[in-house]
Amino acid sequence: DARVTQTPRHKVTEMGQEVTMRCQPILGHNTVFWYRQTMMQGLELLAYFRNRAPLDDSGMPKDRFSAEMPDATLATLKIQPSEPRDSAVYFCASRASGGADTQYFGPGTRLTVL
Amino acid sequence: GENVEQHPSTLSVQEGDSAVIKCTYSDSASNYFPWYKQELGKRPQLIIDIRSNVGEKKDQRIAVTLNKTAKHFSLHITETQPEDSAVYFCAASMRGKLIFGQGTELSVKP
Repeated sequence: DARVTQTPRHKVTEMGQEVTMRCQPILGHNTVFWYRQTMMQGLELLAYFRNRAPLDDSGMPKDRFSAEMPDATLATLKIQPSEPRDSAVYFCASRASGGADTQYFGPGTRLTVL
Repeated sequence: GENVEQHPSTLSVQEGDSAVIKCTYSDSASNYFPWYKQELGKRPQLIIDIRSNVGEKKDQRIAVTLNKTAKHFSLHITETQPEDSAVYFCAASMRGKLIFGQGTELSVKP
């Protein structure tokens, strides 16, 4: 049963520190999405990639957030410097190629910035 | 702009009753409408989806209906059970991505 994986599952850090979250999409999936979930904002799309190329990062605060796909099996989301308002659950999702629609979510990284 | 509105935000039903959650979308080009269920502390999981060439789809106790003209779609859960308690999200495809509704917290009371 192939699944999207994310590390770490939980992260507590202090304001100003760099945070890196990692995602391994389902093998063979070519599109990767990053979402942020908070009680107030629901599920917000931050950025997404197809074939490792960024297609849309309009939902991401550019001054502190960055997203990359160093290779087809790894996507990263970095926050530098982190702020308390970044506290949220960050989900990665992947989608297969060939016109498929369904997105499969990872377990999420729960980030707390003190 | 890109928008999906979902109602109600909370819904409480008695076990065995039906539950209905409604969503409206803004982009007439949207052609894919999934529903996700998220249990506390877990990942969102797809429970049913519908494409714009179909008006209704059913899978056991859950069904989804789509009205393209009115740009709204609904999730129907019949014979609700306590394990149906969760947050449900609708979404609509827009230019290769999904726009999610704000979620409905469903509580099924035994």
